[in-house]
Amino acid sequence: DAKTTQPNSMESNEEEPVHLPCNHSTISGTDYIHWYRQLPSQGPEYVIHGLTSNVNNRMASLAIAEDRKSSTLILHRATLRDAAVYYCILSPRDGSSNTGKLIFGQGTTLQVKP
Amino acid sequence: GAVVSQHPSWVICKSGTSVKIECRSLDFQATTMFWYRQFPKQSLMLMATSNEGSKATYEQGVEKDKFLINHASLTLSTLTVTSAHPEDSSFYICSAIRGRGYSNQPQHFGDGTRLSIL
Repeated sequence: DAKTTQPNSMESNEEEPVHLPCNHSTISGTDYIHWYRQLPSQGPEYVIHGLTSNVNNRMASLAIAEDRKSSTLILHRATLRDAAVYYCILSPRDGSSNTGKLIFGQGTTLQVKP
Repeated sequence: GAVVSQHPSWVICKSGTSVKIECRSLDFQATTMFWYRQFPKQSLMLMATSNEGSKATYEQGVEKDKFLINHASLTLSTLTVTSAHPEDSSFYICSAIRGRGYSNQPQHFGDGTRLSIL
């Protein structure tokens, strides 16, 4: 399985933008880049996903490097409710039995300071 | 939309008991559902892929006779922990994909079931 590398933790101030990096140097051409976040004692929540182009939705933006070996999740204005563990995951679309699976790494714990 | 409900949210039982956890997609049909387990301060570990109308596919190291999965309808998958022991105590989480299980679809997660075996 292609792996991702994320910083263990990051801090942000409330109402400031947050850029969460993710390295995935072994990504294959058919892997989608997914981001999820998990608040304490809850199941993960889908944030955003993309393949090659940058993506925007109501929660965040996803910036994907041209060579696809890294990506950045952007929270435009962090709030206290954004404090969570953020997971960057590659999801294969290769027609194998691994298609659609999410293999979670350790993620980045984001702290938001008031 | 895209709500996934898990029941129960919390269960405590004696060692040797079998426990069933339900995962329902409330507003969409889910051909594929996934079951995860999460120990304290660790990440989620994929246990198995549940496909409607067929046998579940288990990840390496997960005992299929210990963790029975049934996906009898497009909106319901169940995980039964058979003869549970204290080491099975964990946070169990399910997810569902709307439609077919392709990687360009987001997974929608339940809120998890905290299982404590005494």
